[in-house]
Amino acid sequence: KQEVTQIPAALSVPEGENLVLNCSFTDSAIYNLQWFRQDPGKGLTSLLLIQSSQREQTSGRLNASLDKSSGRSTLYIAASQPGDSATYLCAVDRSDDYKLSFGAGTTVTVRA
Amino acid sequence: DVKVTQSSRYLVKRTGEKVFLECVQDMDHENMFWYRQDPGLGLRLIYFSYDVKMKEKGDIPEGYSVSREKKERFSLILESASTNQTSMYLCASYGGYEPLHFGNGTRLTVT
Repeated sequence: KQEVTQIPAALSVPEGENLVLNCSFTDSAIYNLQWFRQDPGKGLTSLLLIQSSQREQTSGRLNASLDKSSGRSTLYIAASQPGDSATYLCAVDRSDDYKLSFGAGTTVTVRA
Repeated sequence: DVKVTQSSRYLVKRTGEKVFLECVQDMDHENMFWYRQDPGLGLRLIYFSYDVKMKEKGDIPEGYSVSREKKERFSLILESASTNQTSMYLCASYGGYEPLHFGNGTRLTVT
């Protein structure tokens, strides 16, 4: 069974600092990995999707890397802003059927 | 943009009631999913559907059933609600080669 872990569970940084969020998974045979953002009481918004053949994806200030062999992905958020405060979740697709396994998330607070 | 709409943001039901949670997507996606989200446990897959009238159990199907009579609509049914089903319920859809799209969630409280 695929286990997905996100450490730390919570993170607080001053505005402007770069954020580094970690995700690890136990089974390297994944189809893809996704990063999501969740605001309090809301649904999930997709940030980045990395196919298993890719090493990284970038969107604006966000960059996600994937190392399948070590079972890790890292989400980098450059020059953090208070609006980046949210919970960030990673999820891996165990096979080509989109039955995602989710991590518990990292809750980020960016202090103004 | 894909829109996934869950009919209720908040619901309060009594133990033993039959509860329907509705989800509609507007992008003709074949795949739809129901998750529940609980603090400390993350998101867990309840049921999913690959096509109309097709359904498969996820990781925690006990106490739930689903209905997919039309492609755009996927309903989650709690046959006899219990307090341990108090949770945030999230519907999602997927059309292939793109990220999973989620609705805003339904926070269900069973008293």
